[in-house]
Amino acid sequence: QLQLQESGSRLVKPSQTLSLSCAVSGGSITDDSYSWSWIRQPPAKGLEWIGYIYNSGGTYYNPSLQSRLTISLDRSRNRFSLRLNSVTAADTAIYYCARSVWRFEDGRWFDTWGQGIPVTVSS
Amino acid sequence: DIQMTQSPPSLSASVGDRVTISCRASQNISTHLNWYQQKPGEAPKLFIYRASTLQLGVPSRFSGSGSGADFTLTIRSLQPGDSATYYCQQGHTILYTFGQGTKVEI
Repeated sequence: QLQLQESGSRLVKPSQTLSLSCAVSGGSITDDSYSWSWIRQPPAKGLEWIGYIYNSGGTYYNPSLQSRLTISLDRSRNRFSLRLNSVTAADTAIYYCARSVWRFEDGRWFDTWGQGIPVTVSS
Repeated sequence: DIQMTQSPPSLSASVGDRVTISCRASQNISTHLNWYQQKPGEAPKLFIYRASTLQLGVPSRFSGSGSGADFTLTIRSLQPGDSATYYCQQGHTILYTFGQGTKVEI
C-alpha cells in the first residue's frame, strides 16, 4: 500500500527558505504513470495546489508561486522535495504531498496523500 | 485559471437525511471533476473521481453526477461518520484548482 510521509522544518523565519521532503513507500517514485504534487492549506482555509514533478524531472508550478518555488526528485531515496524561497506569514499552512493521477479521458486527481506537516512562518 | 464554486459553504442535517452539495466550474471541464472528504486534523481523502466514479472503499450512499460545468455530490442517507468538509477539484487543466469546501455537520 502506497504511503507518503512529509518531513522538514516546521518553523521558518520570514524571508528565509521553507524546505520539505516527502518519502514514498510501497511504490516507486519512478513510475511513469504518476506525478508527485505538493498542496497546502492555510489555517481554516481551503486547498491550494503548489506544483508537481514527474519521474523525468519535469515540473509544473502554480504561477502564483513559480518565482519562489523549486520541486525536485531524489530517485535513489524514493522521495521528492519542495523549496519555497522568501517566505512570509502568508505561507503559513499545512503542507501535503500527494500522488497525482492523469488519464487522458478522465482528467487529473490526487489518489494518495501524506498526513501533512504544519509549517509556521514567524520570527 | 478555472474557478470552482461550491454551495452551500456549510450545512447541518440529520442522520438519514439526503444531502446535496453543488460545485460549479467557471468553464466546461467535461467530467474532470473530483471530490475529496476531509475530517478535522486529517488529510483530504479522494472520494469520487471523474465526476461519478467512487474510489475503492467509499460507501455506496455517496454518489457524484454532472458534466460540463455543474456537478453534484449526494449523500443518500447521512451517517454520523460523514461529518466532514467536502472539496471539489477540477482536473481538466494542469493548474489544479479546488472549491472552497462545504462543511457538513450532523
